[in-house]
Amino acid sequence: EDKVVQSPLSLVVHEGDTVTLNCSYEVTNFRSLLWYKQEKKAPTFLFMLTSSGIEKKSGRLSSILDKKELFSILNITATQTGDSAVYLCAPNYGNNRLAFGKGNQVVVIP
Amino acid sequence: EPEVTQTPSHQVTQMGQEVILRCVPISNHLYFYWYRQILGQKVEFLVSFYNNEISEKSEIFDDQFSVERPDGSNFTLKIRSTKLEDSAMYFCASRTDGNAIYFGEGSWLTVV
Repeated sequence: EDKVVQSPLSLVVHEGDTVTLNCSYEVTNFRSLLWYKQEKKAPTFLFMLTSSGIEKKSGRLSSILDKKELFSILNITATQTGDSAVYLCAPNYGNNRLAFGKGNQVVVIP
Repeated sequence: EPEVTQTPSHQVTQMGQEVILRCVPISNHLYFYWYRQILGQKVEFLVSFYNNEISEKSEIFDDQFSVERPDGSNFTLKIRSTKLEDSAMYFCASRTDGNAIYFGEGSWLTVV
């Protein structure tokens, strides 16, 4: 059975703090790992990671994949209240079937 | 920016009724998906569709479910005889070769 474990499940931080979100996975036929941000409805695409050790950055967000140890990290620096959301980790395996974790719920307070 | 669009945004239906959820994937995308998220639970894969046929489906996607691409732009999910446990947010998604999967805003289905 494919497993995706995200930690911490929820956290509360103050604006300006740095957040590190973890995702470990066990999937067969791994192809890539995707991170999404889910606010009210749709998961919004953040990153797709295919290679180990290569950091991807987008503004204050960055992410990296370790295919040997089977985990990924999503970092958010200088957090803002607009970063409050559930962050979903989704390894992509088989025929582009995403296996979602439960998510990391982040609450940023002013 | 191109996006996946879904209709309706919310539908309430009686148990046993048929429901059709509609999606317009991003125009140059070739692979289409349906996922669902029951309230408070994980997003779950239902089905993937490529080249006018189902390429993979999950154990959730039983005989009550079907998908169709009736024309060049729409992609539909039909639930033949809805059950209470079909109440969920249904997300349509699409992608091109080798790229990320983009999700629509979802259709919230409530079965009463």
